[in-house]
Amino acid sequence: DTAVSQTPKYLVTQMGNDKSIKCEQNLGHDTMYWYKQDSKKFLKIMFSYNNKELIINETVPNRFSPKSPDKAHLNLHINSLELGDSAVYFCASTRGEVSGANVLTFGAGSRLTVL
Amino acid sequence: GQNIDQPTEMTATEGAIVQINCTYQTSGFNGLFWYQQHAGEAPTFLSYNVLDGLEEKGRFSSFLSRSKGYSYLLLKELQMKDSASYLCAVKDSNYQLIWGAGTKLIIKP
Repeated sequence: DTAVSQTPKYLVTQMGNDKSIKCEQNLGHDTMYWYKQDSKKFLKIMFSYNNKELIINETVPNRFSPKSPDKAHLNLHINSLELGDSAVYFCASTRGEVSGANVLTFGAGSRLTVL
Repeated sequence: GQNIDQPTEMTATEGAIVQINCTYQTSGFNGLFWYQQHAGEAPTFLSYNVLDGLEEKGRFSSFLSRSKGYSYLLLKELQMKDSASYLCAVKDSNYQLIWGAGTKLIIKP
């Protein structure tokens, strides 16, 4: 009964490859996010979708492209992987976009290692 | 720029009390969150403060002073399972979450 599930949990790949990480939530939440957590443990927001529409697009390379086929899914595709893309990527969701104590529910994370 | 400061690491003894501080400078304020993150796992929600004062939830309490840009998380009766990183995050005027790097708490027997 996982609330936010993302796959794969681990991903090891070569520089220059293209890879995707999938995320699904069964909480009925309206907003989904992708976060990157680097080796220094800072969580940085990358993208946010509200009801399949992009609402936050932080300064990330355009090699990163999110896709939301419906409000329960938000996938992340990465082209031409670079060494600096190595990190843990967390998917998360909230019931609403703004205001109030909207608590983030995170997936278990996907550890990407680029060799 | 926006900034969240927390100590990098703290050590405490099982059964004791520990206070983890967080100071912030953000453009506006719409609430402060504490999350717990065990190694290799996802962050999980602990507490939310939007008004000044203390919020108590079992062994954990969180305090906020908006005028000082300051919060702390207080953990009582520490247990070994409390060994984790504790992340402070602030919602700014645009309701975007700004995260601290987290405080790694080590509990010793």
